[in-house]
Amino acid sequence: AQSVTQLDSHVSVSEGTPVLLRCNYSSSYSPSLFWYVQHPNKGLQLLLKYTSAATLVKGINGFEAEFKKSETSFHLTKPSAHMSDAAEYFCVVSEVDTGRRALTFGSGTRLQVQP
Amino acid sequence: GAGVSQTPSNKVTEKGKYVELRCDPISGHTALYWYRQSLGQGPEFLIYFQGTGAADDSGLPNDRFFAVRPEGSVSTLKIQRTERGDSAVYLCASSPLGSNTEAFFGQGTRLTVV
Repeated sequence: AQSVTQLDSHVSVSEGTPVLLRCNYSSSYSPSLFWYVQHPNKGLQLLLKYTSAATLVKGINGFEAEFKKSETSFHLTKPSAHMSDAAEYFCVVSEVDTGRRALTFGSGTRLQVQP
Repeated sequence: GAGVSQTPSNKVTEKGKYVELRCDPISGHTALYWYRQSLGQGPEFLIYFQGTGAADDSGLPNDRFFAVRPEGSVSTLKIQRTERGDSAVYLCASSPLGSNTEAFFGQGTRLTVV
């Protein structure tokens, strides 16, 4: 069975400082991993995805994540936060190689960006 | 259309009533998913269609929930005898055929059972 743990329910940073959102996963197979962002009253948007290619994945809006198999982690980072980054972020795992297409979401991390 | 469309955007119903939620996926996407997001939680998988058939319905909570996709495009999630605990945002997503492809989400239907 697959699962995702987002280690922080809330993260607050100042504008211009680095962002770190932590995610650990559990999977019996080689997982695909995603980060989605959800702005208020908007749909979920894909930030980036890892699918067994390069372990450092670059996404939209300056975000990136590194897949570390030894640590079963897929933390999301950004060098410099912008006010528009304030949103809910979800780490997601999928075991597509098993044929099961369901995405398993973490409980989310709410990012606040202070001016 | 340009994206996944869900209607209605909001639905208020009385306990015990029947409701239908509609999803129009992105044209050409063969895979369609329904998720449910309760307040303060991440979305939870309900059901996945590949074409017209439900390939995985393991997330449906009980037999009051049912979904169809008769022509392999539009899907309808049906909830019978609604309960207050069914109140949530119901999300639909679609993706092209193939593994490791991202799912594109609609903005959801907020269902409130009073």
